[in-house]
This record gives sequence, C-alpha cells and structure tokens, in this order.
Amino acid sequence: DTGVSQDPRHKITKRGQNVTFRCDPISEHNRLYWYRQTLGQGPEFLTYFQNEAQLEKSRLLSDRFSAERPKGSFSTLEIQRTEQGDSAMYLCASSPEGSGNTEAFFGQGTRLTVV
Amino acid sequence: AQSVSQHNHHVILSEAASLELGCNYSYGGTVNLFWYVQYPGQHLQLLLKYFSGDPLVKGIKGFEAEFIKSKFSFNLRKPSVQWSDTAEYFCAVTPRDSSYKLIFGSGTRLLVRP
Repeated sequence: DTGVSQDPRHKITKRGQNVTFRCDPISEHNRLYWYRQTLGQGPEFLTYFQNEAQLEKSRLLSDRFSAERPKGSFSTLEIQRTEQGDSAMYLCASSPEGSGNTEAFFGQGTRLTVV
Repeated sequence: AQSVSQHNHHVILSEAASLELGCNYSYGGTVNLFWYVQYPGQHLQLLLKYFSGDPLVKGIKGFEAEFIKSKFSFNLRKPSVQWSDTAEYFCAVTPRDSSYKLIFGSGTRLLVRP
C-alpha cells in the first residue's frame, strides 16, 4: 500500500498522559498536514509541513501539542497532559509540491479517546 | 474568516433519485475547490476537484459539481444515486496561498435506501 499510513489506528489513554501519533506520507509528497475531526464536524486544520519545516500552526494547536517532521519524511504529533476534550480523530494528509496540484491524500486516521 | 457551509447535514434518498448537495464558501481570494467522500469505515477520498477552466467538473462514480463564482458555490450533483453512495460528503476549499491547507464544511451524511 503506497498511501498515507497512520499509527496507531486507535488509542485510549487516561487524562493527563502523553500520547504520540505517527504519520508516513506518500513518499514523493513534500507537504504534510495534520487535521483533527470531532463527531459531526469536518476536519479542522492543525498544522502544515513543507519538507521538514513547520510553516503554519492553527490556534487550535495549544502548547500541549507539538508536531515534528525531522527528516522531511514521516511526522509525529504529540499531545502532552491529555484532556477529555482532546478526544477526536487525528488525520494526516500529504500532497505534492506545486501550485497547480493541491490534491491531498488522507490516511485512515488515529482515533484518540481520553478517559 | 475563511469558512465553508454545507446546507444539509443529513439527506435520505431512495435509489435512482437525483442528488444535489449544497456548498458555499467565504473567502475573498482565489481558491481551489474539492469534494471528498468518506465511506463507512474508510478514509477520506477525493471525489472531484476544481482548480480552473470549465466550471462544471466531473468526478468519479458519476458525480459532478459546478463552480459558480458569483455565488461562491460549488454544489455536488448526481443524476441517479445508488445504495453504494451511502457515505459522508465533505466540501472543502484551499486558498491559493503557500500552505494550501484545506478548509472543510461540516459534512453531509447521505443515506440511500435500496
């Protein structure tokens, strides 16, 4: 499978614990995005990488959230001191560079439940 | 602020009925437009996209959408739906700036009864 891969698919954690999710984009894609989707809503943008540089962060991304893409390939999203409000589906997407084609390909997502 | 509105949250149709899902966006600049579909238990998949040119775009599985710039709309249509079209449909826009992030509507859940 050469699509966007996310791990784990599901994560249940106790409030206050730290969690980390991984995303492997499509190999030739320079752009990588993280989104969050809650029940009944469309995905909301969290952050964006062009290669290894994190170029934009949403105000939704509080200080407890940090994302990295150390070598411009895979990315991690860490949430520290999780809260019940962090329960959501976390989606990763990637797209190729170039102004003419911005089609984003999505992974299956990581469903986080904070208990 | 940039936003996308989808008018119908839930739609129920019988097979062979025609479908039209509304989408309006709020953004003053140039955008790319998308419809994504999420079948039960699956990831978001691109249904169709509009970047430029003919405002009537055709996508997979017989879907089409029309971009009406004056109305800031990008409605999705299908002449005859099938049971397999049961899914959630998301309209999204990408401002043509450097990030090309997607701004999604809240989605429309479509149930097609056989």
